[in-house]
Amino acid sequence: EVQLVESGGGLVQPGGSLRLSCAASGFTFSSYWMSWVRQAPGKGLEWVANIKQDGSEKYYVDSVKGRFTISRDNAKNSLYLQMNSLRAEDTAVYYCARPAGYVHYWGQGTLVTVSS
Amino acid sequence: EIVMTQSPATLSVSPGERATLSCRASQSVSSNLAWYQQKPGQAPRLLIYGASTRATGIPARFSGSGSGTEFTLTISSLQSEDFAVYYCQQYNNWLFTFGPGTKVDIK
Repeated sequence: EVQLVESGGGLVQPGGSLRLSCAASGFTFSSYWMSWVRQAPGKGLEWVANIKQDGSEKYYVDSVKGRFTISRDNAKNSLYLQMNSLRAEDTAVYYCARPAGYVHYWGQGTLVTVSS
Repeated sequence: EIVMTQSPATLSVSPGERATLSCRASQSVSSNLAWYQQKPGQAPRLLIYGASTRATGIPARFSGSGSGTEFTLTISSLQSEDFAVYYCQQYNNWLFTFGPGTKVDIK
């Protein structure tokens, strides 16, 4: 059974940093692209970033370019999102996802709140 | 960036009625279009991919159609568990975008 479990969310001040993690199990992690998708409270879904199987290709939504970094450790079956220079508008539930273009598998999400 | 739009924003439907949701892309995405259902407090659930292929376990009352820039999700006879928010998503490249969603509520 595919499982994606996020961690690392919490309350952070504007301008601060946070690192999210996603532990993957039930599939061969190194064979799949991985994604982060977020959802602000009461709002719609927003794709954040994608990373290729070997980490050689990374893509970001414009609003996080230069501030967020997606990475992975295939030996640990883990996906990460390093978030720097956080803003109030980054407040959201962050989902780890396994895309095949479309996303069949989602984590349960971790809440990031950016507030003073 | 490919911009996705959905209409209507809210659709009020009686149980047993048909619901038709629309999604439009700002440029062609071929058939690289998925539909999701989301209920409060839950992660999205994949319904349709490839514009018209139902995901595993999705009831036949859900159907998708379209290609290029115009897409439709049809729920043939709404059940109580179908009242939710529905999102479309394009995956024509690795820069994904989601539509803003259509909320289907009880009339």
